[in-house]
Amino acid sequence: QKEVEQDPGPLSVPEGAIVSLNCTYSNSAFQYFMWYRQYSRKGPELLMYTYSSGNKEDGRFTAQVDKSSKYISLFIRDSQPSDSATYLCAMIRFKAAGNKLTFGGGTRVLVKP
Amino acid sequence: DGGITQSPKYLFRKEGQNVTLSCEQNLNHDAMYWYRQDPGQGLRLIYYSQIVNDFQKGDIAEGYSVSREKKESFPLTVTSAQKNPTAFYLCASSPPGLGNTEAFFGQGTRLTVV
Repeated sequence: QKEVEQDPGPLSVPEGAIVSLNCTYSNSAFQYFMWYRQYSRKGPELLMYTYSSGNKEDGRFTAQVDKSSKYISLFIRDSQPSDSATYLCAMIRFKAAGNKLTFGGGTRVLVKP
Repeated sequence: DGGITQSPKYLFRKEGQNVTLSCEQNLNHDAMYWYRQDPGQGLRLIYYSQIVNDFQKGDIAEGYSVSREKKESFPLTVTSAQKNPTAFYLCASSPPGLGNTEAFFGQGTRLTVV
């Protein structure tokens, strides 16, 4: 079983709709939770990160963490065609040998005009 | 401009050959990472290095080797022992400290075995 599970999609929504993305994880040692956006053939870029249960907002993006259920979500409001990309959740646990970042498999999102 | 530079962008390798992927950063970051990305599998960690002259194996290190002789550079060699090397390779770096969790990524190298 993978440590971080993410539905691969693709997830297709009309422009203006809310995009809802989820990841589940099995290791309670994860302490920071991040969402990356990756356009085709490009490196991922960080969208948001959080370390506590609850919601965090940044513009049209809301990240949600539920540590008791080992579940994180990303919501994109008023979605735009430019939001079409692969979204990767990532989690980090701190180790003496170095911080280790573990990624989900990514969800491909397509926002149709 | 500060950032991470990976080269080349596209690389073709014949079976049985070793190839080296370059990763250079001018962000003054201590930590550097190599990931492999295959369709539907997200990013898998190959090797990471927290300081110069030290590195650790990630989850899929077999068939790969790295060096960290300079803070700015973390080259990855894909050896002939790697059975399925065709993939998209991403290099990343991050600043030190528990509070600094953001990893900055390069634009990737797409390796194809022909």
